[in-house]
Amino acid sequence: DAGVTQSPTHLIKTRGQHVTLRCSPISGHKSVSWYQQVLGQGPQFIFQYYEKEERGRGNFPDRFSARQFPNYSSELNVNALLLGDSALYLCASSSQAGSTYEQYFGPGTRLTVT
Amino acid sequence: AQSVSQHNHHVILSEAASLELGCNYSYGGTVNLFWYVQYPGQHLQLLLKYFSGDPLVKGIKGFEAEFIKSKFSFNLRKPSVQWSDTAEYFCAVTSFGNEKLTFGTGTRLTIIP
Repeated sequence: DAGVTQSPTHLIKTRGQHVTLRCSPISGHKSVSWYQQVLGQGPQFIFQYYEKEERGRGNFPDRFSARQFPNYSSELNVNALLLGDSALYLCASSSQAGSTYEQYFGPGTRLTVT
Repeated sequence: AQSVSQHNHHVILSEAASLELGCNYSYGGTVNLFWYVQYPGQHLQLLLKYFSGDPLVKGIKGFEAEFIKSKFSFNLRKPSVQWSDTAEYFCAVTSFGNEKLTFGTGTRLTIIP
C-alpha cells in the first residue's frame, strides 16, 4: 500500500510569491494534518482537516490556508512568501480524527524562499 | 497549552552502548505520548506510543519508553544501540480534545561504529 505522498519534493520561490503544496493521504484515511519543520526544530502544527472540514489551526498567520477535497487529498497554500517560510512542510494522515489515532507522515516538501 | 522539552540536543554514543533520551511534557490533563524517529533522508515514523495502561511500552527495533506521570516524563531507552540507530528522535504529545501533535525540538543521535 502506498503511504502518504506529497508533491512537489522541492520548491524554490521568491519572496512575495504564492505556493501550493499537495498531499495524498493513505487510502481510507479521512484526516489530514499539515506541519512546518524549520531546520533544527521539531514539526509545528499548521492545520488539521477531517471530512473536508477544518478541525484545528495552529499559530500561523492568515497567509497560510488549506483545504481538503472529496477524495481526502489536501492542499496547503501560502501567500506573500517570506524568507522565514523556508522549511520542510509535512503532511500526515490518520484514519480518523482524535488524539489516539496514529498519524502517518509523508516525505515532505522542501520549500526554499529566496 | 501542551509543550514538550527534549534537553539532549545531540547525543554521540559508541555501538553497543545503552541509550536514554529525555522527554518532559507540560500539560495538566490526560496525555498521549509518542516517540517518532527520522532516519537520514527518510520521513518521520512512529517508534512507540503510550495511551494508557502499562507505563512501560515497547516499540520497534528494540526501543522502549517509560511513562512516569509524577515526573511528567516519557524517556526513550535502548539497551544496546547500533550504527543504524543514527537518526533524529522526536518526542510528541496529544491530549483529549487536542489532537494536534506537539513535538519537542528533537535529539540528534550519532552512533560511532
